[in-house]
Amino acid sequence: DAGVTQSPTHLIKTRGQQVTLRCSPKSGHDTVSWYQQALGQGPQFIFQYYEEEERQRGNFPDRFSGHQFPNYSSELNVNALLLGDSALYLCASSLEGVSGNTIYFGEGSWLTVV
Amino acid sequence: DQQVKQNSPSLSVQEGRISILNCDYTNSMFDYFLWYKKYPAEGPTFLISISSIKDKNEDGRFTVFLNKSAKHLSLHIVPSQPGDSAVYFCAATENSGYALNFGKGTSLLVTP
Repeated sequence: DAGVTQSPTHLIKTRGQQVTLRCSPKSGHDTVSWYQQALGQGPQFIFQYYEEEERQRGNFPDRFSGHQFPNYSSELNVNALLLGDSALYLCASSLEGVSGNTIYFGEGSWLTVV
Repeated sequence: DQQVKQNSPSLSVQEGRISILNCDYTNSMFDYFLWYKKYPAEGPTFLISISSIKDKNEDGRFTVFLNKSAKHLSLHIVPSQPGDSAVYFCAATENSGYALNFGKGTSLLVTP
């Protein structure tokens, strides 16, 4: 049973470019959340998708957008990249209606903006 | 505004002893608390959780204590093992299954 898978694992982008990160949730999970973890910080909630719609959003600008597909996989898009967007981006999946301990994280995508 | 705080960036404990990791929170609406363990180059792994209706939850060597009046929780690891060396994150949520609010983490080193 595959857990949460993310791609790519590492990437380097230039300021002003756009990036798309991908996530496949754990089998059977229908809810996907994205987190940003900067160096030395805890993960910060970006947004959550359920039933292909953004259900909850953290304190991130509109440059951060996402999508959930019918198979529950998800994408995170960041436009007009800034140096400060350099971070580990974590995808987490869970099953709607079940308590928090079913939240599983992927290994993350390391984004470096130069 | 950091709603979940882990004020000790690091902790060193001898193998076999107890490790105590602390976490404070400011939002009284939090009703579910979780601890995650993270190794380098891996995503966080769920360790143990506690609902606000309880004050203690135990799972093997790991016990989490919740003091709602003090808005404080702690994770006890007994006995500590070298494999427990990792970064531990405390997280809290207002509505189980929704956004997790994380602390900055405590790096635990268990020495032989």
